[in-house]
Amino acid sequence: SFVLTQPPSVSVAPGQTARITCGGNIIGSKSVYWYQQKPGQVPVLVTYYDGDRPSGIPDRFSGSTSGNTATLTISWVEAGDEADYYCQVWDSSTDHLFGGGTKLTVL
Amino acid sequence: EVQLVQSGPEVKKPGESLKISCKSSGYSFTSYFIGWVRQMPGKGLEWMGIIYPGDSRIRYSPSFQGQVTISADKSISTVYLQWSSLKASDTAMYYCARRGCSATTCYIDTWGQGTLVTVSS
Repeated sequence: SFVLTQPPSVSVAPGQTARITCGGNIIGSKSVYWYQQKPGQVPVLVTYYDGDRPSGIPDRFSGSTSGNTATLTISWVEAGDEADYYCQVWDSSTDHLFGGGTKLTVL
Repeated sequence: EVQLVQSGPEVKKPGESLKISCKSSGYSFTSYFIGWVRQMPGKGLEWMGIIYPGDSRIRYSPSFQGQVTISADKSISTVYLQWSSLKASDTAMYYCARRGCSATTCYIDTWGQGTLVTVSS
């Protein structure tokens, strides 16, 4: 079965760049989606199709993929970006597969 | 506006049955898959299964096969998630989620607000 591996936590100072990775041997051939979930809130899609953003998501958020690793990059990190972030891929055999999530802490 | 509105929080005892709901509006209910996602306290998102209301096709994630039942009522644009005998380990937030697809891939484009299920003696 497929697994998506994320680091449990990432810490960054305000104004710096945060990079959250998502690894898995299914990634290279699939589109990767990233969701942001703030405490007590519903997940929100922040990037899709490997890097496009839904309306309302600032361009500080970007997604990319290289080989079997996808990366969510958040530039000029703000306190309000503190949240859990989940990667997700879809495959016709596994449906929606989520990574374990990464807690972003803004120092 | 596409909306998924879920039923309210539930407190149940082990062994009891439960059915929670997710009512859709703002789009053609029979044209989109709706799935369920579990989030246990302090944990990540887990895909449970999905239904296509147009023809009631259902697919469960292996981890949840036999543990829950997903169904839909087209007449009221509502999808359900039910348990026949709850366990304490079923305590979690449950989200319904609409799948959006392009020609080659799918993702969750709309989430319900979540239903908190607490199972405790």
